[in-house]
Amino acid sequence: KAGVTQTPRYLIKTRGQQVTLSCSPISGHRSVSWYQQTPGQGLQFLFEYFSETQRNKGNFPGRFSGRQFSNSRSEMNVSTLELGDSALYLCASSYRTSGLSIETQYFGPGTRLLVL
Amino acid sequence: AQSVTQLGSHVSVSEGALVLLRCNYSSSVPPYLFWYVQYPNQGLQLLLKYTSAATLVKGINGFEAEFKKSETSFHLTKPSAHMSDAAEYFCAVRMNYGGSQGNLIFGKGTKLSVKP
Repeated sequence: KAGVTQTPRYLIKTRGQQVTLSCSPISGHRSVSWYQQTPGQGLQFLFEYFSETQRNKGNFPGRFSGRQFSNSRSEMNVSTLELGDSALYLCASSYRTSGLSIETQYFGPGTRLLVL
Repeated sequence: AQSVTQLGSHVSVSEGALVLLRCNYSSSVPPYLFWYVQYPNQGLQLLLKYTSAATLVKGINGFEAEFKKSETSFHLTKPSAHMSDAAEYFCAVRMNYGGSQGNLIFGKGTKLSVKP
């Protein structure tokens, strides 16, 4: 089974631009979560999507947004980029049931964004 | 609020020596607990997870972790370090809100170096 894929792997943008990152979850997984990883703040949760609906959101400004498509693929968008948005953006997928089983999040390789 | 503390941002061991990476969580209710490993320029790979079925959890690559409720700890160990274990290790917690699982909250990570 193919893992989580993220595109592009590397991206360079300038301040003020906007960027869209893509994530394809593991086949059959319906939940996609996004995390930002920086040396200073570590790994921080951005948001989670399930069945095309945002289920949970971290403490990030409105410039960060996302969406999920009917095939469970997800995109995240960052508008008006700032230098501090330079980070590794990780996507994780899980099956997500309504039961009590502990679901594992499987991570993609990430998209490394550099804002100049 | 839940949090995760990893003691020691850097740990160095000799090849063949015991690996001990510490993780403590704060929560009034035992959460779900995970250890992930991140190799340079890669995403996160799950090492093991605590499912409440057993307090000693065995994972991949010879790693294991013991859940100690009284100490709110979930330390990661490996009896004999290998050069290929050099990576960054993240402890994470995930809450269970009555069947709806929250996002992962990560510790700051511990970089493990293995000396020949």
